[in-house]
Amino acid sequence: KAGVTQTPRYLIKTRGQQVTLSCSPISGHRSVSWYQQTPGQGLQFLFEYFSETQRNKGNFPGRFSGRQFSNSRSEMNVSTLELGDSALYLCASSLGIGHRGEQFFGPGTRLTVL
Amino acid sequence: GENVEQHPSTLSVQEGDSAVIKCTYSDSASNYFPWYKQELGKGPQLIIDIRSNVGEKKDQRIAVTLNKTAKHFSLHITETQPEDSAVYFCAALLENQGGKLIFGQGTELSVKP
Repeated sequence: KAGVTQTPRYLIKTRGQQVTLSCSPISGHRSVSWYQQTPGQGLQFLFEYFSETQRNKGNFPGRFSGRQFSNSRSEMNVSTLELGDSALYLCASSLGIGHRGEQFFGPGTRLTVL
Repeated sequence: GENVEQHPSTLSVQEGDSAVIKCTYSDSASNYFPWYKQELGKGPQLIIDIRSNVGEKKDQRIAVTLNKTAKHFSLHITETQPEDSAVYFCAALLENQGGKLIFGQGTELSVKP
């Protein structure tokens, strides 16, 4: 069974731009969570989607948004990029019901903001 | 807010020795505690997990123990090998916050041959 895939793997943007990252979960998984990983803050939860609905949200500004499609694929968007948004963005999928917490991560998208 | 503290931040052992990483959590409602291994350039990989109705779980050279009263859990790796070198993260599931996973800060384990 294929794992979680994320595209693109690397991105370079400049301040003020916006970016869209994509995540395809493991087949059959209906929940997708997004995390930001930085050396200083570690792994921080952004949001979780289940059946196209945002089920949970972390403490990030409104510039960070996401959505989930009917095939469970998810995208996250960051608008008006800041230097501090440079990070590894990780997507994790899970079955979503009765298996809360058993999350499987993709390789991440490395975003660099110049 | 709720948090997970992880120690040590770095750990260096000789091949064949044991390694222990400890975490404490603050939310008494947490009932699921996974451990992840992250190698350079890769996403975290789930290596073992434990639920609050179990005190210990073992999978070959890896074991996890949980003390719910003290709100701490530990990862034990025996007979360490160079390929165990990676960053390890503990996490706790916050059931009363919609099932959010909160991660520790990570432990960089180095196994010297």
